[in-house]
Amino acid sequence: EPEVTQTPSHQVTQMGQEVILRCVPISNHLYFYWYRQILGQKVEFLVSFYNNEISEKSEIFDDQFSVERPDGSNFTLKIRSTKLEDSAMYFCASSESLPGGEQYFGPGTRLTVT
Amino acid sequence: AQSVTQPDIHITVSEGASLELRCNYSYGATPYLFWYVQSPGQGLQLLLKYFSGDTLVQGIKGFEAEFKRSQSSFNLRKPSVHWSDAAEYFCAVGSYNFNKFYFGSGTKLNVKP
Repeated sequence: EPEVTQTPSHQVTQMGQEVILRCVPISNHLYFYWYRQILGQKVEFLVSFYNNEISEKSEIFDDQFSVERPDGSNFTLKIRSTKLEDSAMYFCASSESLPGGEQYFGPGTRLTVT
Repeated sequence: AQSVTQPDIHITVSEGASLELRCNYSYGATPYLFWYVQSPGQGLQLLLKYFSGDTLVQGIKGFEAEFKRSQSSFNLRKPSVHWSDAAEYFCAVGSYNFNKFYFGSGTKLNVKP
């Protein structure tokens, strides 16, 4: 069964460094998402992406964040200058269609900022 | 504003007992409703979804959920819980009008032998 994959599974970085989290969505899906889950808290929407542009973003997704689909398969989340409060599990998801289409989630990348 | 409430943070049930996890949502239009399960260290796996039609939906692993519009609820049920069901369960709402999900804060399920 096709699945969303994410690399790395765990990333440790120092405050102020840039990180890139990578995702490979399901191949025929058109809509891509990033969510994050701070330890012990709810899963929060960050951004959705369709047709090579951001379709929606939350107030969390400020200028330090960016997303890109650099080729036909990868979908990346870049955090330019990490802060301690960026430590969280980051989930990538993809869906085939709208409206409100079922989203398939990857296993997540745990980001630890020290 | 859209929101999802899961009033129970932790629930403990005995193996073989029935289970009901509560979910209430706030959304003005017709919601699309989902239940996901997250095992420790794992991602989110879809258990079931409601878009329209029959308000009682069946999912994987013997779970079912009932959409009650009058109560703005989408409670998850299972008639007989297995030890492997111990995990965290998240209710989520999506919609035609927005391209994202809102998640509840989750309910951690413990299963006693």
